[in-house]
Amino acid sequence: DAGVTQSPTHLIKTRGQHVTLRCSPISGHKSVSWYQQVLGQGPQFIFQYYEKEERGRGNFPDRFSARQFPNYSSELNVNALLLGDSALYLCATWTVKETQYFGPGTRLLVL
Amino acid sequence: AQTVTQSQPEMSVQEAETVTLSCTYDTSESDYYLFWYKQPPSRQMILVIRQEAYKQQNATENRFSVNFQKAAKSFSLKISDSQLGDAAMYFCAYTVPLQGAQKLVFGQGTRLTINP
Repeated sequence: DAGVTQSPTHLIKTRGQHVTLRCSPISGHKSVSWYQQVLGQGPQFIFQYYEKEERGRGNFPDRFSARQFPNYSSELNVNALLLGDSALYLCATWTVKETQYFGPGTRLLVL
Repeated sequence: AQTVTQSQPEMSVQEAETVTLSCTYDTSESDYYLFWYKQPPSRQMILVIRQEAYKQQNATENRFSVNFQKAAKSFSLKISDSQLGDAAMYFCAYTVPLQGAQKLVFGQGTRLTINP
C-alpha cells in the first residue's frame, strides 16, 4: 500500500499570493491532519479532518483553510501569503493505537 | 497548558554507544499516547516508538526503548548501539483529544549527531 502522499514537493510563491497543497491519506484511511513546521521548530497543528468533517483547528489565522473530499484526500489553502508562512507543511493520517503517519511534506517558500 | 519540553537542543554520541534523549510534557488527561519521531535531513517524519499512557510497561523497538514516568510526566528515549543512520532530529509528542479525533503536540526537537 502507498503511504501518505503530498503534492507538490516544493513550491515558491510571492507575498500576497494564494497556495493550495494536496494530501492523500493511506488507502482506506478517513482522517487527515495538517501541520506546519517552521525551520528549527517542531510541527504545529493546523487542521484535523475525519470523515470529511473538521474535527479540530489550531491557532492559525483565517487565511488558512482546508477541506476533505469524498475520497478522503484533502487540500490546505493559504491566502494572502506572508513571508512567515514559509515552512514545511506536513500531512498525516491516523492508524491503529492513535498513531499518526506522515507524508513527505511540501516545502513552501514565500518571497 | 499543552506543552512538550525537550531540554537538549543537541546531543552527540560515539557510534555503538548509548544515548538518552529527554522529554517532559504537560497534560491534564489521564489517557493519552506518547511518541518519538525521527526526522532525517530529508525531513520525512518517521515514527520511532509509541507508548500508551495506561500501560506501565516501557515500550521497546529493537535498539530503541523508553523510560516512561507518568507521575513525573517524563518520557525519555534510549538508543542503544548507536548507528550512523540514527543521526537526525528527534521529536517527542503526545496526543490531545479533539472532537472524536486527536492531535499531536510536539516538542522543539533534539538534534542527534553520531560520531564515527
